Amino acid sequence: GQQVMQIPQYQHVQEGEDFTTYCNSSTTLSNIQWYKQRPGGHPVFLIQLVKSGEVKKQKRLTFQFGEAKKNSSLHITATQTTDVGTYFCACNNNDMRFGAGTRLTVKP
Amino acid sequence: KAGVTQTPRYLIKTRGQQVTLSCSPISGHRSVSWYQQTPGQGLQFLFEYFSETQRNKGNFPGRFSGRQFSNSRSEMNVSTLELGDSALYLCASSLTGQNTGELFFGEGSRLTVL
Repeated sequence: GQQVMQIPQYQHVQEGEDFTTYCNSSTTLSNIQWYKQRPGGHPVFLIQLVKSGEVKKQKRLTFQFGEAKKNSSLHITATQTTDVGTYFCACNNNDMRFGAGTRLTVKP
Repeated sequence: KAGVTQTPRYLIKTRGQQVTLSCSPISGHRSVSWYQQTPGQGLQFLFEYFSETQRNKGNFPGRFSGRQFSNSRSEMNVSTLELGDSALYLCASSLTGQNTGELFFGEGSRLTVL
C-alpha cells in the first residue's frame, strides 16, 4: 500500500518565526488532507487539497499540493503560541494513511 | 449539532480480557472509521463502516473487529488484549466516507492494558 512520509518529526521555533512541514508519497494521490492535534486533544480537520499544484490559504497557513500530486506542504507564517500541536497529513486511495506528524512547539 | 461521542473515555484492562468501545457519529453521517494512535506507530487505520457494511480494513489482526448499527453508531471490539494494544482509539465520522470527505474525530477512548 501507499506510504506517506512526513518531515520533520519535531520543530521548535521562537514565536514569530515561520514553520513548514512536508509530506511525500511514493504514489500519486487522489487528494490530501491536513489535520491539527493539540496536546491532549483529537485531530481536527484543516483542509483538503485535490488539484495538481493547488495552493490554499487560511490566514497565516498556506497549503500546497505538488504538481505530480505526490507531495504537499503546510507553511505557517509568523507562528503564535496557539499554533502549538502536531500537524498530520493524511492521504487515501483505498484506506486513510496518516503521516507520522510534525510536533510544533513555540517559545513565547 | 453534537459532535462525535466516544465511550468510555478511559479504561483499564488486563491481558487476555476483551474490550468494546462505542462511537456515536455526527447526526446524518453514515461513515464511521476507527484509528489507533500510539506514540510509536502514530495514527493507524483500523476499519471503516458505511451504512452497516465494512468498507475498508487496515492491517490489524483479527482480534480487532467492529460493526455498525442501523443508526450509524459503531462499536469496535478487541479480544485477547495484549500489552501492545494500549493506545488511544479514535473514531471519526464523515458524511461521504474517509476517501472523500472531512473526518470529524471524537475525543477518543484511552485504553491501558496491564
